[in-house]
Amino acid sequence: EVQLVQSGAEVKKPGESLKISCKGSGYSFTKYWIGWVRQMPGKGLEWMGIIYPGDSDTRYSPSFQGQVTISADKSISTAYLQWSSLKASDTAIHYCARWGFNGDYGYAAYDYWGQGTLVTVSS
Amino acid sequence: EIVLTQSPGTLSLSPGERATLSCKASQSVSSSYLSWYQQKPGQAPRFLIYGASSRATGIPDRFSGSGSGTDFTLTISRLEPEDFAVYYCQQYGRSQYTFGQGTKLEVK
Repeated sequence: EVQLVQSGAEVKKPGESLKISCKGSGYSFTKYWIGWVRQMPGKGLEWMGIIYPGDSDTRYSPSFQGQVTISADKSISTAYLQWSSLKASDTAIHYCARWGFNGDYGYAAYDYWGQGTLVTVSS
Repeated sequence: EIVLTQSPGTLSLSPGERATLSCKASQSVSSSYLSWYQQKPGQAPRFLIYGASSRATGIPDRFSGSGSGTDFTLTISRLEPEDFAVYYCQQYGRSQYTFGQGTKLEVK
């Protein structure tokens, strides 16, 4: 069974750093891209960026480039999202999701999602 | 960047009725890379449709997707109580992934 299990909720102060995680299991972690999606309170889904754990190739949304860093440790099947200096506006639920792709079947979508990590930034 | 605009923002219907949700792209999108998701309060999004019209595993056949180019539609033929949720379309192109702002499907 494919699973993405994210780290627990975090409460931080503005200016602090943070790294949250997403551990994949039940599939070959290095062969699928893992994306990160932000959902601010009461709002919609925003794509932040994506990483291919096999070679750490990473792409960012222009809105998040330079604001966050996405990384992965394939030895432990885990992807990460980190901030060097949090702001109150970073308060949101952050989801990781697997980008499932099969060109032969026209299959391309975020097919499995983590449970979400709530990050609260408040002084 | 391709912008996806969903309409209506909120759709009020009763169980048993038909729901039609729209997703319009600011420029042409490959149908292969247009997908739909359902999100209920307090839950992660759930994958529904890929390739604009193919249902994901386990998705009931009352859900169907259609469209091409810049206009895509998610149809729920007969609403069940569990279908009331927020629905998002999403596209991939040129290494960028974007979501629509969502349509809330609520009980009338």
